[in-house]
Amino acid sequence: GDSVTQMEGPVTLSEEAFLTINCTYTATGYPSLFWYVQYPGEGLQLLLKATKADDKGSNKGFEATYRKETTSFHLEKGSVQVSDSAVYFCALINTGGFKTIFGAGTRLFVKA
Amino acid sequence: GAVVSQHPSRVICKSGTSVKIECRSLDFQATTMFWYRQFPKKSLMLMATSNEGSKATYEQGVEKDKFLINHASLTLSTLTVTSAHPEDSSFYICSATPLGGGRRADTQYFGPGTRLTVL
Repeated sequence: GDSVTQMEGPVTLSEEAFLTINCTYTATGYPSLFWYVQYPGEGLQLLLKATKADDKGSNKGFEATYRKETTSFHLEKGSVQVSDSAVYFCALINTGGFKTIFGAGTRLFVKA
Repeated sequence: GAVVSQHPSRVICKSGTSVKIECRSLDFQATTMFWYRQFPKKSLMLMATSNEGSKATYEQGVEKDKFLINHASLTLSTLTVTSAHPEDSSFYICSATPLGGGRRADTQYFGPGTRLTVL
């Protein structure tokens, strides 16, 4: 079945460091890919998404490119801030659009 | 906008009792609400999909008689864990898809979750 694998955390970075969180997927058809972020005490929020191969999703300085050839959707940010500390979830929605498959989540700590 | 609330945020109950968790879309009407369960350091697992006025669709392996879902209105869905046992202890999260989005899940707004502990 469909699945999402993302790097285990926690990831600890200093402020202004470069961030990469790896995400790979297995899916039939042509899924849509998402990154969600969960700040402490809050619900998941959509961070960015891409719906077809080679699309780049971007938001708040974060970017991810849908790579069909490597089945990847890695999250990157050039300069992280303390306020980026959160848990990040990679996810896909299958072709039918009814069910979201989530990765295990990666916790990010950013130190001042 | 697009706020989803859950109540309670935390609940502790005795084994054998039933617990009801509410999920409300506060500023929009939801065609579909999803219920997820999250285990420690694990991903969110979809339990069921509920549409207003119809029976919920449960994922394989989820006991429908144990996890009762009622989607009574376009802004409220409830999950009742019946005869709870310690293995039901978990973090339960709901999400809602706005009216007009059909059953597609690509626009979901998530609640903050409910931590259930069964003693």
